Amino acid sequence: GAGVSQSPSNKVTEKGKDVELRCDPISGHTALYWYRQSLGQGLEFLIYFQGNSAPDKSGLPSDRFSAERTGGSVSTLTIQRTQQEDSAVYLCASSLELGRVGNTIYFGEGSWLTVV
Amino acid sequence: GQQLNQSPQSMFIQEGEDVSMNCTSSSIFNTWLWYKQDPGEGPVLLIALYKAGELTSNGRLTAQFGITRKDSFLNISASIPSDVGIYFCAGLTFFFNKFYFGSGTKLNVKP
Repeated sequence: GAGVSQSPSNKVTEKGKDVELRCDPISGHTALYWYRQSLGQGLEFLIYFQGNSAPDKSGLPSDRFSAERTGGSVSTLTIQRTQQEDSAVYLCASSLELGRVGNTIYFGEGSWLTVV
Repeated sequence: GQQLNQSPQSMFIQEGEDVSMNCTSSSIFNTWLWYKQDPGEGPVLLIALYKAGELTSNGRLTAQFGITRKDSFLNISASIPSDVGIYFCAGLTFFFNKFYFGSGTKLNVKP
């Protein structure tokens, strides 16, 4: 697509429920990233996918968080047994493969998650 | 891990004033990017810099890739109310093969 597309744009869920957030990267971008941003705060790295390589999961805050990327394109971030502290905006971004000169990372509009 | 130190954290200025913010690191970066994030939206790319010493403008915005490759600044001239938002720097290092982000500069413009 023309830009990074995320869905849902807003999600309100009850504490303890599971949620799935979806990201569709820019066509041709092999690298895909998930970040979390709490209100008024900076970007917290969660996970990074690059082609068929094993993902860098070093930023996932707990084992309740997982992500997969099927077919090298669309990615799903899953949060199990949601807690109130999971409330944040979840930003997806994509880029060409790292190491290329002239690379840039583009963000989606974010999925705003509220756990009540 | 690598750190990008972005300053100032926040700024309160009068409409029409010029603004300057910067990011520094102890490591060398190969790419510097500047983003603006409006409330309720994702960060939008403003300027991308790929060469040490490069100076690039986008309207009233000017950014430079520091000659040491360890810093970058963003200037906004003649600020207007719609410049309000959070500005983030990002650096890409080929050595660590990763993007790093600054903590953001929150800009407030008083009409």
